[in-house]
Amino acid sequence: DAGITQSPRHKVTETGTPVTLRCHQTENHRYMYWYRQDPGHGLRLIHYSYGVKDTDKGEVSDGYSVSRSKTEDFLLTLESATSSQTSVYFCAISESAGANTEAFFGQGTRLTVV
Amino acid sequence: GENVEQHPSTLSVQEGDSAVIKCTYSDSASNYFPWYKQELGKGPQLIIDIRSNVGEKKDQRIAVTLNKTAKHFSLHITETQPEDSAVYFCAAHLAGQRGAGKSTFGDGTTLTVKP
Repeated sequence: DAGITQSPRHKVTETGTPVTLRCHQTENHRYMYWYRQDPGHGLRLIHYSYGVKDTDKGEVSDGYSVSRSKTEDFLLTLESATSSQTSVYFCAISESAGANTEAFFGQGTRLTVV
Repeated sequence: GENVEQHPSTLSVQEGDSAVIKCTYSDSASNYFPWYKQELGKGPQLIIDIRSNVGEKKDQRIAVTLNKTAKHFSLHITETQPEDSAVYFCAAHLAGQRGAGKSTFGDGTTLTVKP
């Protein structure tokens, strides 16, 4: 398995509180991504990073921010959590930008906003 | 943007039978089509992929076909086994994006293989 660690694995938080999820990789891959997975919606990209301090928005970025200060860490922050952000969050990494390059996924973080 | 539709959403087969999952995509510029398997409580894992300049690719019991003209691609699993039971996702990667993982995913197919 690729060296990807997501923390925490499970979290319950209250509406309106800030939440930060962490993705840590030991593969030294340049590209990192945050996805959310909801029943019936597959995986949807929230934000991604193509290098230290270089990030960009995905298709469902509203309400989320990210930061990448080191190659190995990619943080996803919910500034003020809402119930619609209850989901399973996956981090992924890939080595290069071209097609035919495998993306490796972490184990996921289950977030419940009550 | 790209739109990927995946069918069926659920599929139940008898052990030893074949299973076929189909996906269509909307953007003809997409050039890479990976398939992922997700087991319960785990992240998706790549099982096979195909590039737009190839029509078919096979890896043991798994094969993928691509029809660029019709903009659809399919996953074929032969001689299914109970351990093939999982959720399968197709994805389409649009050329020119900055990261290989920035793909658009289908909604998934839950495959159940009955012993």
